[in-house]
Amino acid sequence: GAVVSQHPSWVICKSGTSVKIECRSLDFQATTMFWYRQFPKQSLMLMATSNEGSKATYEQGVEKDKFLINHASLTLSTLTVTSAHPEDSSFYICSARDGTGGVYEQYFGPGTRLTVT
Amino acid sequence: KNEVEQSPQNLTAQEGEFITINCSYSVGISALHWLQQHPGGGIVSLFMLSSGKKKHGRLIATINIQEKHSSLHITASHPRDSAVYICAVKSGGSNYKLTFGKGTLLTVNP
Repeated sequence: GAVVSQHPSWVICKSGTSVKIECRSLDFQATTMFWYRQFPKQSLMLMATSNEGSKATYEQGVEKDKFLINHASLTLSTLTVTSAHPEDSSFYICSARDGTGGVYEQYFGPGTRLTVT
Repeated sequence: KNEVEQSPQNLTAQEGEFITINCSYSVGISALHWLQQHPGGGIVSLFMLSSGKKKHGRLIATINIQEKHSSLHITASHPRDSAVYICAVKSGGSNYKLTFGKGTLLTVNP
């Protein structure tokens, strides 16, 4: 099946610094990528939807200036957590939509665990 | 009230038992996903279905659109099946956003 990778798989950073997380679709072109956040024992919560070459659409309550999303190509989207704070510590998961051939399917990455100290 | 409800929240079984996890939703959907999340956190998509039934190995997923209900069955369960199983629905239209259930934690003991 289709593969979505994320890098890094985990990161620890100091409060106030910025962290970039990459999401790549390895064997298909992802016209749409999604970024989710998951707190312990909670459901995945959609943060934003990004389409290649256009600005991301953020969900209500998600600060677009804090969570910068760039979807520069059909295989790569990045999420940058700017001026991270301990409350940003979470598990960040991306997924990518394979829209080729008119078939909708969404594949998930392995996630990135962010810890802000 | 969450639009997607899963039951049970927690399930403990003995190896070899038949497992059923249920998902009910309150909105019209165009597709339903069953996902598996292991303790490390990574998510694997098990099934995407919009009608009927799908089978992959020991896993079976069914959906009843009229009753807004889906079930995930695991036959001959094994300790490696221990994970959180998540139901997610995609509403109709061109919006590809998913709405997730809270998940069912399955523990299969040897």
